[in-house]
Amino acid sequence: EMVLTQSPATLSVSPGERVTLSCRASQSLSSSYLAWYQLRPGQAPRLLIYGASNRVTGISDRFSGSASGTDFTLTISSLEPEDFAIYYCQQYGSSPRTFGQGTRVE
Amino acid sequence: QVRLVQSGSEMKKPGASVRVSCQASGYTFDSYNICWIRHVPGQGLEWLGWITPYNGNTNYAHILQGRITMTTDISTATAFLELRSLRSGDTAIYYCARGGGAGYHFWGQGTLVTVSS
Repeated sequence: EMVLTQSPATLSVSPGERVTLSCRASQSLSSSYLAWYQLRPGQAPRLLIYGASNRVTGISDRFSGSASGTDFTLTISSLEPEDFAIYYCQQYGSSPRTFGQGTRVE
Repeated sequence: QVRLVQSGSEMKKPGASVRVSCQASGYTFDSYNICWIRHVPGQGLEWLGWITPYNGNTNYAHILQGRITMTTDISTATAFLELRSLRSGDTAIYYCARGGGAGYHFWGQGTLVTVSS
């Protein structure tokens, strides 16, 4: 089973700051199969990025994703108040699909 | 537009079973897998498995093998998740999502299942 390790667990930041979230895969993972989700209280998860760097239609361009080997990054260029949430990476290249443990942006 | 509408909250005692439904609309139901994911309070997202509606094939997470069954009713475009022998650790919000390869673009609103004596 592929393990995704996210860091840090919690990020304390202020609006307007640039935020970088990390997700490391335990095995080789094609960039095509990594997604990022945002989870806000009381809402369903929202897909932000798929294929490591493809932004979903309608998602703000302040969100971007990148990959380097087994390391994946989600960057929020300038944090807005509505961006305070938990972010999860997920791989869909092998079964079982797995999620990282999440990074809370507070 | 694509919509997934789930059944309402459930409260169950330990050892009981629960069945959560997920009715799809806005697309051809049997063209996409339905996946189930849960969010345990204070913990992360946990992938539970998927079902392929057109042939009923399933793929379950190992940790729930033997306690979980996913089914679909194509006539009503509805997917079902049944979880048996409930325990307190199953207390979570259960989500259905439409599969399709590049992440889960569409999600149900979630169903809170509370297991408590």
